[in-house]
Amino acid sequence: ETGVTQTPRHLVMGMTNKKSLKCEQHLGHNAMYWYKQSAKKPLELMFVYSLEERVENNSVPSRFSPECPNSSHLFLHLHTLQPEDSALYLCASSQEGGADGYTFGSGTRLTVV
Amino acid sequence: GEDVEQSLFLSVREGDSSVINCTYTDSSSTYLYWYKQEPGAGLQLLTYIFSNMDMKQDQRLTVLLNKKDKHLSLRIADTQTGDSAIYFCPPKGRRALTFGSGTRLQVQP
Repeated sequence: ETGVTQTPRHLVMGMTNKKSLKCEQHLGHNAMYWYKQSAKKPLELMFVYSLEERVENNSVPSRFSPECPNSSHLFLHLHTLQPEDSALYLCASSQEGGADGYTFGSGTRLTVV
Repeated sequence: GEDVEQSLFLSVREGDSSVINCTYTDSSSTYLYWYKQEPGAGLQLLTYIFSNMDMKQDQRLTVLLNKKDKHLSLRIADTQTGDSAIYFCPPKGRRALTFGSGTRLQVQP
């Protein structure tokens, strides 16, 4: 039991679709993250939310839109994606200043057709 | 460029020891972590070491830190087939952990 739950586990969407990925953490952490893991690239940080405020955006395309309504929930809204956006999207949470590192969810495997 | 360098691949026989090495460029991290990722799964925190320590042992795992050389290693004793996975040693970047490509450990029976 990771304490971080991601849904759905798998998603297939067309390039004109709009979908959302959901992440929920039950650990009382105050920071949440989206990472993208492609087959041939290192794990890439997409977004960081600390105390519900977005503090970093690593020049991710605008077709990815994060939302963090509270410290327990994180969404990634997707629209007009490209086939190269197919990847494993991982959510993580942490306690800022803590020693325990990040707790990751199992990820959403996204395929854009 | 990447903040961490690791060998991409390591193959060992079951029962042998595995040593996974990591060289990082940022020396300001208070804690240094080792993560494991099994196929199709998320990342699992294995262990971590405080930056003012040079060794930490946790059952089959031994972490060694050479802060002067910015070198971190993970030794797995009595490696099992269940240890086959990708291992990451992400330093703390400006606001978040920065992951490299990881080291894929293959354990042969």
